[in-house]
Amino acid sequence: QSVLTQPPSASGTPGQRVTLSCSGSSSNIGINYVYWYQQLPGTAPKLLIYGNNQRPSGVPDRFSGSKSGTSASLAISGLRSEDEADYYCGAWDDSLSGVVFGGGTKLTVL
Amino acid sequence: EVQLVESGGGLVKPGGSLRLSCAASGFTFSNAWVSWVRQAPGKGLEWVGRIKSKSDGGTTDFAAPVKGRFTMSRDDSKNTLYLQMNSLKTEDTGVYYCAIGKFDSSGFDYWGQGTLVIVSS
Repeated sequence: QSVLTQPPSASGTPGQRVTLSCSGSSSNIGINYVYWYQQLPGTAPKLLIYGNNQRPSGVPDRFSGSKSGTSASLAISGLRSEDEADYYCGAWDDSLSGVVFGGGTKLTVL
Repeated sequence: EVQLVESGGGLVKPGGSLRLSCAASGFTFSNAWVSWVRQAPGKGLEWVGRIKSKSDGGTTDFAAPVKGRFTMSRDDSKNTLYLQMNSLKTEDTGVYYCAIGKFDSSGFDYWGQGTLVIVSS
């Protein structure tokens, strides 16, 4: 079982806004930065959000991150077919002294 | 351009050993804290461990499932990181990525392409 909890699946139609959730605890999300990754089939993960809500250069502003307490969210607006991928959240866990990830959410664009 | 290239994966029997390498270029490797992240077939991401830069002590941290079986070292003169995996178990099977972060060491901006490790009899 993953330390961070993500719903296994989500879906949306083109143009729609979808929000993916990530739930943690006081030892990880509650006190540390949250990161979000996108993984297309057969490829390495790609960083989408760092520091809870910052986008690396080159990541479209359709992607946005937020954090509240021990939970975080990734919002994708103007959904496109190429957004169909697996999305993972991650954070440092002070109790485990390591990086923890969510189990991932598979996003389907209908 | 930052590049990370893993190598050394392959098929190994349970109880065996394997050494993975991660060759880096395009940045000052000696300053980097580098992590390994693995992914079992059809499963999610799992952090394996990290090594700090020598200037920050060069120490290592590992996730509980691999602690005591895996070690990590670095050769800054060759811009290369090594992951020595001993007493391998079938559950160690997966793609192993090396990764680094620009913001801090708990997030990863750059990833290698991964190397596949299969532990099977």
